[in-house]
Amino acid sequence: GAVVSQHPSRVICKSGTSVKIECRSLDFQATTMFWYRQFPKKSLMLMATSNEGSKATYEQGVEKDKFLINHASLTLSTLTVTSAHPEDSSFYICSARDVGLAGGPGTGELFFGEGSRLTVL
Amino acid sequence: DAKTTQPPSMDCAEGRAANLPCNHSTISGNEYVYWYRQIHSQGPQYIIHGLKNNETNEMASLIITEDRKSSTLILPHATLRDTAVYYCIVKANNLFFGTGTRLTVIP
Repeated sequence: GAVVSQHPSRVICKSGTSVKIECRSLDFQATTMFWYRQFPKKSLMLMATSNEGSKATYEQGVEKDKFLINHASLTLSTLTVTSAHPEDSSFYICSARDVGLAGGPGTGELFFGEGSRLTVL
Repeated sequence: DAKTTQPPSMDCAEGRAANLPCNHSTISGNEYVYWYRQIHSQGPQYIIHGLKNNETNEMASLIITEDRKSSTLILPHATLRDTAVYYCIVKANNLFFGTGTRLTVIP
């Protein structure tokens, strides 16, 4: 089945630094990717929709200057947490919609990455 | 987006069928019902989805009522590895997660 890979799976950083998380669709193209965050024992909260070649769409209450999203290619979206603080510590998860490879229709289904756990000291 | 309601937790004996209910009374005609599960500290895993008809795959069965206002995910023979939070989601283009049902499979 389709695979979405996130990197790094775990990252620890000092307060004030910026952290970049990558989300890759390994065997399909994804014009749209989604970024979620999840606090302990809570559900996933959609942060933003990442669109290839255009600006991301952020959900209400999510600071776009804090969480920079870049979707430069059909297989890669990045989330950069800028000037991270301890309250940004969370589990960040991406997902990608399979629109297929060139010549193929894709399934249209949504596949999730393994998640990236950010700890800000 | 249609809202879903699930029981917060359920227990199931190992080897027995686990039946997880979901209410989605405000579902509209073009919205699919999706089920995902999340094992601790991992990304959500797709299980199954359907629109009107009942569906079955190697993981589970999905039973959707005729009025489409509720559905049930069935794990026919639950194992300890099925312990997870199960999310029922109704959405046409995107996925918003509710609180899900925490299923615990008991030996």
